[in-house]
Amino acid sequence: AQSVAQPEDQVNVAEGNPLTVKCTYSVSGNPYLFWYVQYPNRGLQFLLKYITGDNLVKGSYGFEAEFNKSQTSFHLKKPSALVSDSALYFCAVRGGGGYQKVTFGTGTKLQVIP
Amino acid sequence: EAGVTQFPSHSVIEKGQTVTLRCDPISGHDNLYWYRRVMGKEIKFLLHFVKESKQDESGMPNNRFLAERTGGTYSTLKVQPAELEDSGVYFCASSFTAVNTGELFFGEGSRLTVL
Repeated sequence: AQSVAQPEDQVNVAEGNPLTVKCTYSVSGNPYLFWYVQYPNRGLQFLLKYITGDNLVKGSYGFEAEFNKSQTSFHLKKPSALVSDSALYFCAVRGGGGYQKVTFGTGTKLQVIP
Repeated sequence: EAGVTQFPSHSVIEKGQTVTLRCDPISGHDNLYWYRRVMGKEIKFLLHFVKESKQDESGMPNNRFLAERTGGTYSTLKVQPAELEDSGVYFCASSFTAVNTGELFFGEGSRLTVL
């Protein structure tokens, strides 16, 4: 069975500093990986995805994520955090080959401190 | 273009009562998904429609949950009778392409509180 682990319930970072939100996964076959963000009282919004190709994926709002196959990780990063980045971030994975549902992690709350 | 809309945004019911949640996907999106998030836990898959057909309902907790998508447009998720553990936020998502090549578009969720 496929799974996603987000080991940090909350990440605090000062505005202007780089941020990292961690994600590791377990899946059979080649993974399809996603990051979503949920702002307060809103639905989840797609940020970025990795299907194949370059290990560094760039997405919306200046976010990027690095796929590391050997470590089965897909950490979300941003060089300089903004207060407006404060939100709940979800990592998700889908296994390769045929139909498979998308499995989400438990979410990490990012708090950017002014 | 309208996004995915869900109704109601919040429902408070007593144990044993019935609740029906509705989801209107983005027009033209054949794929419709229901997910649920219990406080602090993962967003858990419930089921997936392709048009009016159930592609995968492996995540439905039990037979108290009934999902329909008549005509392949909007979908309803009925919980009857509701139990305390059914409380959580129910998300609906839709997509045009297969999920592995495109992103999911989520609604704002329906928060269900069972007392």
